[in-house]
Amino acid sequence: GENVEQHPSTLSVQEGDSAVIKCTYSDSASNYFPWYKQELGKRPQLIIDIRSNVGEKKDQRIAVTLNKTAKHFSLHITETQPEDSAVYFCAASIAGGYQKVTFGTGTKLQVIP
Amino acid sequence: IAGITQAPTSQILAAGRRMTLRCTQDMRHNAMYWYRQDLGLGLRLIHYSNTAGTTGKGEVPDGYSVSRANTDDFPLTLASAVPSQTSVYFCASSGVAGDNEQFFGPGTRLTVL
Repeated sequence: GENVEQHPSTLSVQEGDSAVIKCTYSDSASNYFPWYKQELGKRPQLIIDIRSNVGEKKDQRIAVTLNKTAKHFSLHITETQPEDSAVYFCAASIAGGYQKVTFGTGTKLQVIP
Repeated sequence: IAGITQAPTSQILAAGRRMTLRCTQDMRHNAMYWYRQDLGLGLRLIHYSNTAGTTGKGEVPDGYSVSRANTDDFPLTLASAVPSQTSVYFCASSGVAGDNEQFFGPGTRLTVL
């Protein structure tokens, strides 16, 4: 089955700096890579996703890059703000149906004001 | 109902007792999932259902069972609870083919003593 590794497990940045979270996956058939944000005591929510037919996707201060050859993808947050503090999960699955999604173990991001 | 709900919000349970966690969605999503979330281990899939009448095992299915009698409901049952099942449980659902965003319920915090 799919295996997703996520690094780092914790990350502290100063407000305004950038944050990068990296994930690797094992199944070359995976082609859908979502990122979820979970604030303390809340449910995970999708913030951005990327499919294998593109190498990069941006949404305001958030961007995701994908390298299918190396089987890794990354989340980039620019101009971080205190409200970005949360746990972020990467995931991998095969799109086009009701496929199981395999999650990484999460990165706790702390943005220091 | 708006979205996906879970009940109870939290529960303290004696070891050996039977417990059913409830999950209901009103989005007419075909696929539903149960995850457990433990510190440092991220979200691990327990069971899933691609459509009403079908279920499948995830990464950590032992000690749990599910049923999917209709589209809206996906209960998770612990037949004889053990302390290692102490966790936060999230139910999720996703829609039709090609749309793999998972929508999570608010979670159930379960403590087994």
